[in-house]
Amino acid sequence: EVQLVESGGGLVKPGGSLRVSCAASGFTFSNAWMTWVRQAPGKGLEWIGRISSKADAGTTDYAAPVKGRFTISRDDSKNTLYLQMNSLKTDDTALYYCTTNRRTFLFWGQGVLVTVSS
Amino acid sequence: DIQMTQSPSSLSASVGDRVTITCQASQDIRNYLNWYQQKPGKAPKLLIYDASNLESGVPSRFAGSGSGTDFAFTISSLQPEDFATYYCQQYDNLPVTFGQGTKLEIK
Repeated sequence: EVQLVESGGGLVKPGGSLRVSCAASGFTFSNAWMTWVRQAPGKGLEWIGRISSKADAGTTDYAAPVKGRFTISRDDSKNTLYLQMNSLKTDDTALYYCTTNRRTFLFWGQGVLVTVSS
Repeated sequence: DIQMTQSPSSLSASVGDRVTITCQASQDIRNYLNWYQQKPGKAPKLLIYDASNLESGVPSRFAGSGSGTDFAFTISSLQPEDFATYYCQQYDNLPVTFGQGTKLEIK
């Protein structure tokens, strides 16, 4: 059974940093492209970015609102995906989901809440 | 960025009704469109991929159609568990973009 479990969320001040993680199991993580999607409270879904498998060079792509501030990485030895968020803004307050695949998102975690507030 | 415009934003319907949600892309996305269902407090669930393919395990009352810029999502006979928010999503170009969602409520 595929499982994705996010962790590391919390309250952070504007301008601060936070790293959230996504622990994966039930599939060959090292072969998977992985994606982060967020959802602000009461709002719709927003694609944040993705990382390819190491076999596809481990390349990353980001949405414009987070490019240069957020970094997606992976540790295949730990089956874990990361989202490093720097220079956080109040607009980054959202539930952050990790999901599998590069285009069609079949498996999702339960989400981790990141609140940016002074 | 490709804009995805869903219509309507909200919809009230009764159990047994047939409902259709539309999604229009700001440019040709071929058939690179998915549909998701999201219930309160839950992650989205993939229902339809590549515009018209039913994901495994999804009931056949759900269907998708369209290509190019105009797409439709239909529930043939609403069931109580179908009241949720539905999103379309394109993946023809980066960034991947979602429609704003359609909230389906009980009349």
